[in-house]
Amino acid sequence: EDQVTQSPEALRLQEGESSSLNCSYTVSGLRGLFWYRQDPGKGPEFLFTLYSAGEEKEKERLKATLTKKESFLHITAPKPEDSATYLCAVQGDDTGFQKLVFGTGTRLLVSP
Amino acid sequence: DAGVTQSPTHLIKTRGQQVTLRCSPKSGHDTVSWYQQALGQGPQFIFQYYEEEERQRGNFPDRFSGHQFPNYSSELNVNALLLGDSALYLCASSLARGGGTDTQYFGPGTRLTVL
Repeated sequence: EDQVTQSPEALRLQEGESSSLNCSYTVSGLRGLFWYRQDPGKGPEFLFTLYSAGEEKEKERLKATLTKKESFLHITAPKPEDSATYLCAVQGDDTGFQKLVFGTGTRLLVSP
Repeated sequence: DAGVTQSPTHLIKTRGQQVTLRCSPKSGHDTVSWYQQALGQGPQFIFQYYEEEERQRGNFPDRFSGHQFPNYSSELNVNALLLGDSALYLCASSLARGGGTDTQYFGPGTRLTVL
């Protein structure tokens, strides 16, 4: 069964203090790994899709990378508005069609 | 270009009642998936609809059922509500590509509280 583990559960940073969030996964045949941002009480907002090991994608202060066992979301010089929960999800060959399996997320708080 | 919309925003029900949640997909999308998100947890897959049929289902009881209409919009029905059904219900839409990978875009969710 596909599994996703995210760490840390919570992360507190000062504005400008760069860090990384981890997403470890087990899946039989990765079709795609997805990163979403979720603000409290709202739906997840799509950030990135990664398809194969070695792939990297960037958007503003965020950069996502992928290996065969894990993905990292690097946050460079974060701002308070980056505070949110970051969710990682995988889609594997045995989940069928487009079912996503999510981790429990990393709650990020960036203080000014 | 309208994104995924859901209604209602919030809902309060009592145990044993039935509820219907609604979702309109992003323009151009034909596939709708429903997820349940308990507080502090990641979303859990309920089921997915394509061409008006349920084509995949997660580990949820038959009390959870759904429907997709010809215009691709969808409903989620939950019967005999339990306290544990209290959660944020998320709808996600995507474009079927022969079953291949495609990004799912989420709506704002419906917060269901069961008393």
